Amino acid sequence: EAQVTQNPRYLITVTGKKLTVTCSQNMNHEYMSWYRQDPGLGLRQIYYSMNVEVTDKGDVPEGYKVSRKEKRNFPLILESPSPNQTSLYFCASSFLTSGGLNEQFFGPGTRLTVL
Amino acid sequence: DAKTTQPNSMESNEEEPVHLPCNHSTISGTDYIHWYRQLPSQGPEYVIHGLTSNVNNRMASLAIAEDRKSSTLILHRATLRDAAVYYCILRENVQGAQKLVFGQGTRLTINP
Repeated sequence: EAQVTQNPRYLITVTGKKLTVTCSQNMNHEYMSWYRQDPGLGLRQIYYSMNVEVTDKGDVPEGYKVSRKEKRNFPLILESPSPNQTSLYFCASSFLTSGGLNEQFFGPGTRLTVL
Repeated sequence: DAKTTQPNSMESNEEEPVHLPCNHSTISGTDYIHWYRQLPSQGPEYVIHGLTSNVNNRMASLAIAEDRKSSTLILHRATLRDAAVYYCILRENVQGAQKLVFGQGTRLTINP
């Protein structure tokens, strides 16, 4: 089954404790992206990657890191989480065509709470 | 960054057509217009996208104004399962990068 998986689905942590949220897709997509969703703010893009070893900042990259060492994986790293990073996080992936970004497939979400 | 403006909420009746508007007055010539929807407790789901011409698929139709400063997502016959938040998104093609800018979304309520 074609899908985007995220782990963990739920995480409660404390300020300053490094964490990684994994994202994996099995569709051989070039493009992968991370979003955060907060009440009243909709979805905001954190980072995206157009291929292996190619990453770029979205609208809200501060406090986050990403890496793209393999095509299927795009982990989101919070080196020193803070309470303002409490949010619902979505990973997404897509093919890149000659016309650009195609339909994005989203993962189920990771709900992160930083105390 | 090009932005989109959508009504906060809309309401319609089951089995009637729904027209969801989106304004994007600062759109550039290479920006695609994408629509996604998000059902309660789920991740966003792709609906449709287009550049200049109107587009149809099994889920919806996308009508794009001639000057491209606005577009309308059309659900031809709404069902209760179409109740969701609908996002109008500009896919920016800045220096080859593919950046997405989400609007605030329209919460669509479908009355039985």
